[in-house]
Amino acid sequence: KNEVEQSPQNLTAQEGEFITINCSYSVGISALHWLQQHPGGGIVSLFMLSSGKKKHGRLIATINIQEKHSSLHITASHPRDSAVYICAASLYSGGGADGLTFGKGTHLIIQP
Amino acid sequence: NAGVMQNPRHLVRRRGQEARLRCSPVKGHSHVYWYRQLPEEGLKFMVYLQKENIIDESGMPKERFSAEFPKEGPSILRIQQVVRGDSAAYFCASSPWTASSDTQYFGPGTRLTVL
Repeated sequence: KNEVEQSPQNLTAQEGEFITINCSYSVGISALHWLQQHPGGGIVSLFMLSSGKKKHGRLIATINIQEKHSSLHITASHPRDSAVYICAASLYSGGGADGLTFGKGTHLIIQP
Repeated sequence: NAGVMQNPRHLVRRRGQEARLRCSPVKGHSHVYWYRQLPEEGLKFMVYLQKENIIDESGMPKERFSAEFPKEGPSILRIQQVVRGDSAAYFCASSPWTASSDTQYFGPGTRLTVL
């Protein structure tokens, strides 16, 4: 079982819909990252959070440490939001690996 | 401000040859990470380096793979005697601090094809 699980694996929605992508993890983490991988393959970091909620434009990320769960929301979705969204966890901090452990990604398609 | 640069963007090698992948981190970033994305699979951590030091290579295959981040110049991921299973996209990321406390900035990746 992967330490970082995402759902859904694939999501197709109409333009304007509110999108939610979920991420759960099974071990303690020090930070959780949300990444966006474009169709061309490039990866952009969207958020890094260790508690609470962050917002950037139409994107919102939340994390519940007790429940080991994070969500990424997209409001007023647009076709240009079509991409693979990846949840990644930093499993421990300071002195350890600090490399990220990744979910398998959610392939999002927003249709006009 | 230049972001993370990787070269080459595409690399084709025949089985048994060596592949050298280069990564120049964001200026001022001293933490470099290498990740591999196999076809139809998710990203996997390979190695974490700071200048002149390998901090964690727990994700590196035991043989044929090595990485360095010298005092001067880019970080290098070296794959000796490549095999078809090494075909993948290799991403480098850098950060000013560790992944537990700061955003990672990803390069565009090097797509390695082994014939």
